[in-house]
Amino acid sequence: NAGVMQNPRHLVRRRGQEARLRCSPMKGHSHVYWYRQLPEEGLKFMVYLQKENIIDESGMPKERFSAEFPKEGPSILRIQQVVRGDSAAYFCASSRTGENTEAFFGQGTRLTVV
Amino acid sequence: KQEVTQIPAALSVPEGENLVLNCSFTDSAIYNLQWFRQDPGKGLTSLLLIQSSQREQTSGRLNASLDKSSGRSTLYIAASQPGDSATYLCAVSGDTGGFKTIFGAGTRLFVKA
Repeated sequence: NAGVMQNPRHLVRRRGQEARLRCSPMKGHSHVYWYRQLPEEGLKFMVYLQKENIIDESGMPKERFSAEFPKEGPSILRIQQVVRGDSAAYFCASSRTGENTEAFFGQGTRLTVV
Repeated sequence: KQEVTQIPAALSVPEGENLVLNCSFTDSAIYNLQWFRQDPGKGLTSLLLIQSSQREQTSGRLNASLDKSSGRSTLYIAASQPGDSATYLCAVSGDTGGFKTIFGAGTRLFVKA
């Protein structure tokens, strides 16, 4: 049973481009969480999704950021018109259910905006 | 709103020393608490998970305790080694805010040979 898979591991984008980060949850997991870690800081919650639904997006910036978790395929975190401040490590986690179950984390995608 | 605090922010110890990392959280209504290790530029490695009904968990030289009522957890590392140098993150999951995991800022540990 493969763990949470994130790709790409490293992503370089020029200012103004779009960044798409992908997360494939563990088999049997229908809950996905995205976190952002800015340099020298802890992980900050961004968004919590179940299949085809956004449950909690209280940590998502209001503009340029969006997330989806379609019925088929990976969860996608999309950042439009990237700026240098978006440079960070983005981690995805998945769990079998939302309540009282362990969340497993991927290895992260390191986004660098140049 | 759940907040997680880790003390100290950084710690430097000589090899072989036993050490304790502290974590506190403001809302005791948690489902579980987890300790992670993060090496520079790398992902998260889960070390120990303590369910809310448990008091402690042990793995090798690591022991984590949980006192839910006081909102505290400690990670005890015995006989520290240079390979233990990393950032240690404490995280809680609970009903507050809807099941998401809330992280502390971490303790950066450096074990000197």
